[in-house]
Amino acid sequence: NAGVTQTPKFRVLKTGQSMTLLCAQDMNHEYMYWYRQDPGMGLRLIHYSVGEGTTAKGEVPDGYNVSRLKKQNFLLGLESAAPSQTSVYFCASKPGTGTYEQYFGPGTRLTVT
Amino acid sequence: SQELEQSPQSLIVQEGKNLTINCTSSKTLYGLYWYKQKYGEGLIFLMMLQKGGEEKSHEKITAKLDEKKQQSSLHITASQPSHAGIYLCGAVIQGAQKLVFGQGTRLTINP
Repeated sequence: NAGVTQTPKFRVLKTGQSMTLLCAQDMNHEYMYWYRQDPGMGLRLIHYSVGEGTTAKGEVPDGYNVSRLKKQNFLLGLESAAPSQTSVYFCASKPGTGTYEQYFGPGTRLTVT
Repeated sequence: SQELEQSPQSLIVQEGKNLTINCTSSKTLYGLYWYKQKYGEGLIFLMMLQKGGEEKSHEKITAKLDEKKQQSSLHITASQPSHAGIYLCGAVIQGAQKLVFGQGTRLTINP
């Protein structure tokens, strides 16, 4: 099993450009999450999903959109990138209720110039 | 303000020395998770603590959850270069339904 994978690993965008980050998991997990990690801020939840076809806002959702059309994939979109969105983005998943342990992907380092 | 406070935020120790990282909440913790992150990689699960007073060890790393369940400590004995990285605590806090994370502790081991 590959676990949780993220595509791409690195990306540089110009202000105003758009892009989509892909997260895939092969563990048949119900829950999936998108976090951003910034120095001194820890991990902050952007959006999450409790199952195929569902999405919900997290702590810092502004400027991002998500979709969960297939159970194994969770997409994070930036419609108009801003320098404030320069960060490392992590995707995570967990089986369902009964545990809070999450399995993390390797991260995507995004720079917006 | 951070719901989970980690201290210190940065730590530099000489190889072979012991060290402790703390994770503190003002609310009761229901499940405390310790993760380690190496540069450019994702988070690796280390340990989970749920009961007040619980203590778990893995190799030279020991984690404890205090009796009042509002603080956890991670202790590394005889540190090695392989221990270097960012340590994050994540917890289910009273009133929350999701994991919240501390800001992380960057650990550097000097040879």
